[in-house]
Amino acid sequence: ETGVTQTPRHLVMGMTNKKSLKCEQHLGHNAMYWYKQSAKKPLELMFVYNFKEQTENNSVPSRFSPECPNSSHLFLHLHTLQPEDSALYLCASSQDRAGGTDTQYFGPGTRLTVL
Amino acid sequence: GQNIDQPTEMTATEGAIVQINCTYQTSGFNGLFWYQQHAGEAPTFLSYNVLDGLEEKGRFSSFLSRSKGYSYLLLKELQMKDSASYLCAVTDSNYQLIWGAGTKLIIKP
Repeated sequence: ETGVTQTPRHLVMGMTNKKSLKCEQHLGHNAMYWYKQSAKKPLELMFVYNFKEQTENNSVPSRFSPECPNSSHLFLHLHTLQPEDSALYLCASSQDRAGGTDTQYFGPGTRLTVL
Repeated sequence: GQNIDQPTEMTATEGAIVQINCTYQTSGFNGLFWYQQHAGEAPTFLSYNVLDGLEEKGRFSSFLSRSKGYSYLLLKELQMKDSASYLCAVTDSNYQLIWGAGTKLIIKP
């Protein structure tokens, strides 16, 4: 058990749908991350939150909208996605963002398919 | 640009030893991580190296040479459950974590 949970584990949506991914961490960490993982590609960092404040947005299209209501919960709201957005979306947490040398703990991911 | 290189796929035999290499070209260096990811599961932390040398943890060891921009993960006494992808990641001078694409390790009986 990693202490980081994600729901749903699988999601199939059409390009006009709106859906949300949820992440929850039970580790008392202060930083949370969204990553996109595509086959045979490096993990792509999408968003970083530290103490509920967004600290990074790596040129992610506006059809992805993050929300962090508190240090334990992170959402990724999806709307009008494209087929190329199909991927595994991973959530992670770490003690804090300072230094970037903290070990990150990952959730199992949401496998997203956009039709 | 910043780059992490690791082999795409490797095959090894149960009970044997395998070394997975990672080379990096980054703007500065503040540490190197290895993570293990089984298919359909979360990446899990294996090791962290910030100084040159070998760190040993049971059957797994990780080596770092900062001057060569090189690391390897050594897995001994391979077990079938070691079949997974192994991700190398480097923290650069801006404390950004740069990820490799991962090495898929296949263990055969």
